[in-house]
Amino acid sequence: GENVEQHPSTLSVQEGDSAVIKCTYSDSASNYFPWYKQELGKRPQLIIDIRSNVGEKKDQRIAVTLNKTAKHFSLHITETQPEDSAVYFCAASGPLSGGYNKLIFGAGTRLAVHP
Amino acid sequence: DSGVTQTPKHLITATGQRVTLRCSPRSGDLSVYWYQQSLDQGLQFLIQYYNGEERAKGNILERFSAQQFPDLHSELNLSSLELGDSALYFCASSVVGLADNEQFFGPGTRLTVL
Repeated sequence: GENVEQHPSTLSVQEGDSAVIKCTYSDSASNYFPWYKQELGKRPQLIIDIRSNVGEKKDQRIAVTLNKTAKHFSLHITETQPEDSAVYFCAASGPLSGGYNKLIFGAGTRLAVHP
Repeated sequence: DSGVTQTPKHLITATGQRVTLRCSPRSGDLSVYWYQQSLDQGLQFLIQYYNGEERAKGNILERFSAQQFPDLHSELNLSSLELGDSALYFCASSVVGLADNEQFFGPGTRLTVL
């Protein structure tokens, strides 16, 4: 069945360093790949997304890259700040009886940014 | 604040009991999703409704059921509760319900089964 693998499960960086989180997906028909950030005790919030017709997307310090051939996509955070500390989830659109109406989430990456 | 509301915020109950979680989507959103997040786990998709109709189903147990009402609010019913059902249950909503519509998450209901 559809599956999204996310690595690493935990990531610790110094403030100002870059952080990279990688995900692979199994369904070659997936065409939408969002990233969510979940702070402790709070709801997941969309931070960036990418569609299959685009290879890279950037929003200030956050960027996402997509390699459809290899079926993997990555989140890049530059100049990390303590407030970037959170759990990050990747997701890929999954199949439903001929349509693609649900998201399959990765297991999450706990990012800790140390001052 | 995403505009999605969930009640109650916390729920403590005993094994074998039944509970109902409630979700009100953002104004104008027609689709509602339910997710289960166990301790230190990812988001497991349970079920999706669009304008009152079930649209997608994930790994939802037969003891669980949901519905979406004409006013678009949704309820998730969990019965014959087990210890392993303890988790954070999120509701999310989106405008139409296609996978590439942004999903806005509610604050969650924390269920503890003792």
